[in-house]
Amino acid sequence: DAGVIQSPRHEVTEMGQEVTLRCKPISGHNSLFWYRQTMMRGLELLIYFNNNVPIDDSGMPEDRFSAKMPNASFSTLKIQPSEPRDSAVYFCASRADRAQSSYEQYFGPGTRLTVT
Amino acid sequence: SQQGEEDPQALSIQEGENATMNCSYKTSINNLQWYRQNSGRGLVHLILIRSNEREKHSGRLRVTLDTSKKSSSLLITASRAADTASYFCATSRYTDKLIFGTGTRLQVFP
Repeated sequence: DAGVIQSPRHEVTEMGQEVTLRCKPISGHNSLFWYRQTMMRGLELLIYFNNNVPIDDSGMPEDRFSAKMPNASFSTLKIQPSEPRDSAVYFCASRADRAQSSYEQYFGPGTRLTVT
Repeated sequence: SQQGEEDPQALSIQEGENATMNCSYKTSINNLQWYRQNSGRGLVHLILIRSNEREKHSGRLRVTLDTSKKSSSLLITASRAADTASYFCATSRYTDKLIFGTGTRLQVFP
């Protein structure tokens, strides 16, 4: 298994530009999580999906952030327009069905976003 | 605010020594997990302990949970240079949502 795949690994963009981060979860996992990690705020959950449906988006900072999961094997996190304070490492994680008593989340390598 | 606070923020030890990290949380939980993050990498799950468990072992890892004090500890025995990483506790409360602590940066010197 290739694990959780994220792209791009690094993104440098200018303030005001649209940024799209992509994630492919582990096949067979039915929950997907987007996190943001910064030195100041640590690791924050932005949004998570269960069976492709957004369950909790209370961590999404503001309307500039949006996330979609059109199918079980793909999710995007979009920032439009981007701002310098959005600079962070964004992680995607997936998890198997909780009915299987599995609570472990598998993280991707992250996308390091720099907004100048 | 974050659920978990970890102590110490940073820890430096020699290879072969034991490393102990502590995590405190604020509300009731149904399980607590520990994750490791190597520099520039994603988090890797280490161990999970349920709220009705008091201690759990996995290899060189020993986790304890005290729900009355809302605290957990992670002990790494006979540490190795490869254990150098940041360690995070994460709690969940009957939902899929994990709340991560602030992390402990462990440096193991050869």
